[in-house]
Amino acid sequence: DTEVTQTPKHLVMGMTNKKSLKCEQHMGHRAMYWYKQKAKKPPELMFVYSYEKLSINESVPSRFSPECPNSSLLNLHLHALQPEDSALYLCASSQAPRRTDTQYFGPGTRLTVL
Amino acid sequence: AQSVTQPDIHITVSEGASLELRCNYSYGATPYLFWYVQSPGQGLQLLLKYFSGDTLVQGIKGFEAEFKRSQSSFNLRKPSVHWSDAAEYFCAVGASQGGSEKLVFGKGTKLTVNP
Repeated sequence: DTEVTQTPKHLVMGMTNKKSLKCEQHMGHRAMYWYKQKAKKPPELMFVYSYEKLSINESVPSRFSPECPNSSLLNLHLHALQPEDSALYLCASSQAPRRTDTQYFGPGTRLTVL
Repeated sequence: AQSVTQPDIHITVSEGASLELRCNYSYGATPYLFWYVQSPGQGLQLLLKYFSGDTLVQGIKGFEAEFKRSQSSFNLRKPSVHWSDAAEYFCAVGASQGGSEKLVFGKGTKLTVNP
C-alpha cells in the first residue's frame, strides 16, 4: 500500500480563522513533507520532518505551523492566512529524507482564503 | 546549483500518436531522476525513476524514459497516447542543497490529447 491520505479535500477559511490540514501514511515511512502548489506551477517544498523532528523549514511564514505527533501523522496548522496563501497543499512521505528515496504524494487539500 | 529544465510548457498530441517529453538536468554527482504525473486537482503519482544500471527505465501506464548522461537528459516516452494521459508531467532530480536532501522539480509540461 503506497497511499498517503489528506483531509480535508477542500477548505475555505477567512483570514482570521484557525484551521488544520491533516496527512496520514501507514507505510512505515520516517520522512514526511508539506508542499504548496500554485496553479500551473511545480510543488514548492515548505517543511520536512525526519524521524518526527522538523529538519527543513524553507523560510515559511509563521502563520503556517507544522506538527508531527507521531511517525504516521503530519499536521499543518493555519492561522491568519492571506488570500495569496490559497493553493493546493500536498503532503508526501518517503522511507527516509534522502534524495534517493521516492516520495509518495497525497491527493492534496485545496485551500481558499477569503 | 541543481536544476531541472522542461523546455516544453505545453504539448498537444493526437490520441494514438507517440509522445516524448523532454527533461534536462544539471547535477554534479550521480543524478537520481523521477517522472511524476499530476491530473487536474490531484496529487502527484510516480511514473518511473532512474537511479543506476540500465539507462532505459520502464514505468507504469506504458511509459518509459531514457537516461543519457552525455546529454544530461531523461526524456519520457510513450508509443501510443491515450486520452487519459492528458495531465501535467513533472521531471525531478533528488538533490543535495544546503546540507539537505530534497526533490528539485522542473516547471512541468502540460499534455493535451486530441481525440
